[in-house]
Amino acid sequence: GQQLNQSPQSMFIQEGEDVSMNCTSSSIFNTWLWYKQEPGEGPVLLIALYKAGELTSNGRLTAQFGITRKDSFLNISASIPSDVGIYFCAGQLAGANSKLTFGKGITLSVRP
Amino acid sequence: KAGVTQTPRYLIKTRGQQVTLSCSPISGHRSVSWYQQTPGQGLQFLFEYFSETQRNKGNFPGRFSGRQFSNSRSEMNVSTLELGDSALYLCASTPMGGRNTGELFFGEGSRLTVL
Repeated sequence: GQQLNQSPQSMFIQEGEDVSMNCTSSSIFNTWLWYKQEPGEGPVLLIALYKAGELTSNGRLTAQFGITRKDSFLNISASIPSDVGIYFCAGQLAGANSKLTFGKGITLSVRP
Repeated sequence: KAGVTQTPRYLIKTRGQQVTLSCSPISGHRSVSWYQQTPGQGLQFLFEYFSETQRNKGNFPGRFSGRQFSNSRSEMNVSTLELGDSALYLCASTPMGGRNTGELFFGEGSRLTVL
């Protein structure tokens, strides 16, 4: 089945730094999404991307849908302590009602 | 607007037992999906229900089953529990008023521990 690759498993950054994460796949996806999960909570949608090459921002977060449709990138600028959590990418194949495939997530830690 | 509600939040079972987890979607949302989350495997898709019908299914054994009621509430059941079933079970709903955009609204999950 489809697999999404996220690495490294954990990232440690200093408050105020920018951080970039990427997600790659051997499959072509029609939709890319980024979710964040905080301890004790379910994942929350951050950004959804629907077109190859699309660049979308949500506050300090910016995500891009790769031109090849096999990857996506998430950038967090000027990190703050509340950015800690697990960041998941997810892809959806073409076709109505297609299920989502999730990456294994990157755990982000922000040092004050 | 109330979010997705999952019950129970925590439960402990022993091997061989069965468990039923409940999910109430956001009002007006008609599609409910279930995911299993473990540290090693991340989020694994179990199944999706829409209008009381299972529309998608992941690669889990038949011990995992679900259903959806006419009010869109959903339950999932795991029979003959194994130690490896210990996980956070997440439910997510989507409006499904039109195109399936992949935008899921997750509950806080049910944490199952199998001893």
